[in-house]
Amino acid sequence: DGGITQSPKYLFRKEGQNVTLSCEQNLNHDAMYWYRQDPGQGLRLIYYSQIVNDFQKGDIAEGYSVSREKKESFPLTVTSAQKNPTAFYLCASSRRGGGSYNEQFFGPGTRLTVL
Amino acid sequence: AQTVTQSQPEMSVQEAETVTLSCTYDTSESDYYLFWYKQPPSRQMILVIRQEAYKQQNATENRFSVNFQKAAKSFSLKISDSQLGDAAMYFCAYRRTGNQFYFGTGTSLTVIP
Repeated sequence: DGGITQSPKYLFRKEGQNVTLSCEQNLNHDAMYWYRQDPGQGLRLIYYSQIVNDFQKGDIAEGYSVSREKKESFPLTVTSAQKNPTAFYLCASSRRGGGSYNEQFFGPGTRLTVL
Repeated sequence: AQTVTQSQPEMSVQEAETVTLSCTYDTSESDYYLFWYKQPPSRQMILVIRQEAYKQQNATENRFSVNFQKAAKSFSLKISDSQLGDAAMYFCAYRRTGNQFYFGTGTSLTVIP
């Protein structure tokens, strides 16, 4: 079955440590996205990538970094520079370009807790 | 910048009744797409329904339908014959050209048995 996987489901980090969240998709989608979800704030875009080896900052990119070396993978690193990293992180993908059926597909999410 | 507003943080509905969730958006574009997503307690985001801005006909998917008012920039979701499984957070989303998506802050729907 095609879909998006995120790992791990739960992640604990000590202050001052970097941590990488995994996101893999087998939908053959060009575009991939990372969102952060906090209570009462909906989904906020961290980074997105429309094609391999290219990505753009979203609204809240500070303290985060990404890479897009393969079409299937879009890992997110939460660095120690992120002041308040405890949140639920969602990865998504979509077809590139216009068209009616160009919705986003989401992974199951990763809950990151900073201890 | 595009913004999506959901003015109802919480809503409730009796089982088998109908409920409408509101969404407004701000854009200067004429060609775009709108979506409603459902996020149940599992937190898996699920697409409920989509609407193309160039279509005047409101989209319908079984018990879910939308009221799309392009001039008013309004995109409400109507859930008919509400079921216990409809209880979830619902997010309205806007997709502009260039594949950027914008989400509202969500409406938490409670279904009362």
